[in-house]
Amino acid sequence: AQSVTQPDIHITVSEGASLELRCNYSYGATPYLFWYVQSPGQGLQLLLKYFSGDTLVQGIKGFEAEFKRSQSSFNLRKPSVHWSDAAEYFCAVGARSGNKLVFGAGTILRVKS
Amino acid sequence: GAVVSQHPSWVICKSGTSVKIECRSLDFQATTMFWYRQFPKQSLMLMATSNEGSKATYEQGVEKDKFLINHASLTLSTLTVTSAHPEDSSFYICSARAVGAVYNEQFFGPGTRLTVL
Repeated sequence: AQSVTQPDIHITVSEGASLELRCNYSYGATPYLFWYVQSPGQGLQLLLKYFSGDTLVQGIKGFEAEFKRSQSSFNLRKPSVHWSDAAEYFCAVGARSGNKLVFGAGTILRVKS
Repeated sequence: GAVVSQHPSWVICKSGTSVKIECRSLDFQATTMFWYRQFPKQSLMLMATSNEGSKATYEQGVEKDKFLINHASLTLSTLTVTSAHPEDSSFYICSARAVGAVYNEQFFGPGTRLTVL
């Protein structure tokens, strides 16, 4: 069974600073990988996804993520954080042969001015 | 494209009543819809998977008689919380997977906040 670990519960960065949110997964084969963002009281918005091909994936709002098979990681990055990026971020993994997504516990991003 | 709506966005009900939440795919057809529950400051927990025209598949520990799921068409799934109690208060989120989707990609609704008094 697949699982996802987001080691950081909270992260605080200054506006304009770079950001990296960590995600490690456990799965026996190459999974589908996703990053979602959730603002308070809202649903989930897809930031980016990895299915195959180029391991560096570009998403919306200036985010990118890199799939590293050797490290079982799919870390999310942004070169310059904006105050509007403050939200909760979820990494998710899906099996290629199934329907389910398994979510990490989430990382709450705070942006200080 | 790929918009999923939920109705209502929030609901307050008395203990013992039943509440129905609708999940609609607005611009695509969904063979499979998913229902998640999210407790405050926690991640999403999959409750059940519903396929159009068939019975839902519930995750371990989810009471199927309490959380009734119906997926009567390719654009609509409903979750009915029967005889709701305060411990059922939560944020319920649905998602949908498009017909013919090759990849396991789900589109999420905005969620429904249920408060049981």
